Amino acid sequence: DVKVTQSSRYLVKRTGEKVFLECVQDMDHENMFWYRQDPGLGLRLIYFSYDVKMKEKGDIPEGYSVSREKKERFSLILESASTNQTSMYLCASSSGGINIQYFGAGTRLSVL
Amino acid sequence: LAKTTQPISMDSYEGQEVNITCSHNNIATNDYITWYQQFPSQGPRFIIQGYKTKVTNEVASLFIPADRKSSTLSLPRVSLSDTAVYYCLVVPTGTGGFKTIFGAGTRLFVKA
Repeated sequence: DVKVTQSSRYLVKRTGEKVFLECVQDMDHENMFWYRQDPGLGLRLIYFSYDVKMKEKGDIPEGYSVSREKKERFSLILESASTNQTSMYLCASSSGGINIQYFGAGTRLSVL
Repeated sequence: LAKTTQPISMDSYEGQEVNITCSHNNIATNDYITWYQQFPSQGPRFIIQGYKTKVTNEVASLFIPADRKSSTLSLPRVSLSDTAVYYCLVVPTGTGGFKTIFGAGTRLFVKA
């Protein structure tokens, strides 16, 4: 089974802090994704990576950056956390096409 | 680009067939439609995908009419464990695959 592991289930941070969300997949997938999930809005793509060191902006990249130094690891960075970034963050990976994605359990981030 | 619209919620009883429809206006000729299921405290999980007509697997069926402006996920004989949120996903191929258009999700509640 594909396993996508997000380093934290819950995080509480202060406004202005730099926040790192880590994601690791064990299936040698080329593609990795970061989404945020908010009630009534579904999943919105923040960033997408199709290879090591390669990234593409999704629908809502503002206030976020990403890093992919190794194929199995994709990090989401909030340079200066704000309260409107309080959300559920989901990481996913896929191989070949991007229709079938495998998701982690999510990280619920609260910014106070 | 395609925009997806789903009902916010649906109720059903055990043993019934449930049909959840997703509208996707402006879907392009080569775009696939994919459906996911999400339980609380978990990431979404792939259920089924299709391009046209009908696709069936061990979990569900997916009906796509000729105009492809909508798709219907059909869950046969639901049980309490099918209570979840269901998302449709369209990946617009014309944009190079860097956009993922998730619907806002349909919360299905199955009652005994």
